Amino acid sequence: GEDVEQSLFLSVREGDSSVINCTYTDSSSTYLYWYKQEPGAGLQLLTYIFSNMDMKQDQRLTVLLNKKDKHLSLRIADTQTGDSAIYFCAESIREEGSQGNLIFGKGTKLSVKP
Amino acid sequence: DVKVTQSSRYLVKRTGEKVFLECVQDMDHENMFWYRQDPGLGLRLIYFSYDVKMKEKGDIPEGYSVSREKKERFSLILESASTNQTSMYLCASSFRTAQETQYFGPGTRLLVL
Repeated sequence: GEDVEQSLFLSVREGDSSVINCTYTDSSSTYLYWYKQEPGAGLQLLTYIFSNMDMKQDQRLTVLLNKKDKHLSLRIADTQTGDSAIYFCAESIREEGSQGNLIFGKGTKLSVKP
Repeated sequence: DVKVTQSSRYLVKRTGEKVFLECVQDMDHENMFWYRQDPGLGLRLIYFSYDVKMKEKGDIPEGYSVSREKKERFSLILESASTNQTSMYLCASSFRTAQETQYFGPGTRLLVL
């Protein structure tokens, strides 16, 4: 079945770059997403990329997509303590006879040390 | 901006009680979802609804039911709460298809004693 894998933890120093990686299984995914969850809060959409793109940049965020390897990454430049959160990768899936859905990874907890 | 609200941020209930979790979205979205989030398990889909009075089971529907009488409101019901239903419950909605961006509410942290 569909699965989205990401490492559970990442620790970086303030000012460094963070790279959070994700692998997915459905090669027909149309959209791939990154969500951020701060402590005690819901998930907030951070960015997304269409499957026909290789890269998307939005201020400090860079998303890279390697469709051949089904690998998605999120790079945060100049990481700040406010970036400490759990980051979820998600892929859109479409199943015959169904509405389709998003499949989420288990989340990567990013800790930023001052 | 899309706004998804949940009726409670924190809830404490006793085993066997009937529990209602309410979710409201204000953007005329077709689809609404209920997830639970547990440490080490990520998000797991309980139920979703793609139209009024329509529902579809997710990955873990056992012990839960849902109700969608109006487009903007999606309720999650625990008929007889159990301690293993202690969790963070997240509601989400999306515009037209379930594959599109999902917008999340702030979550309800439920403790069943």
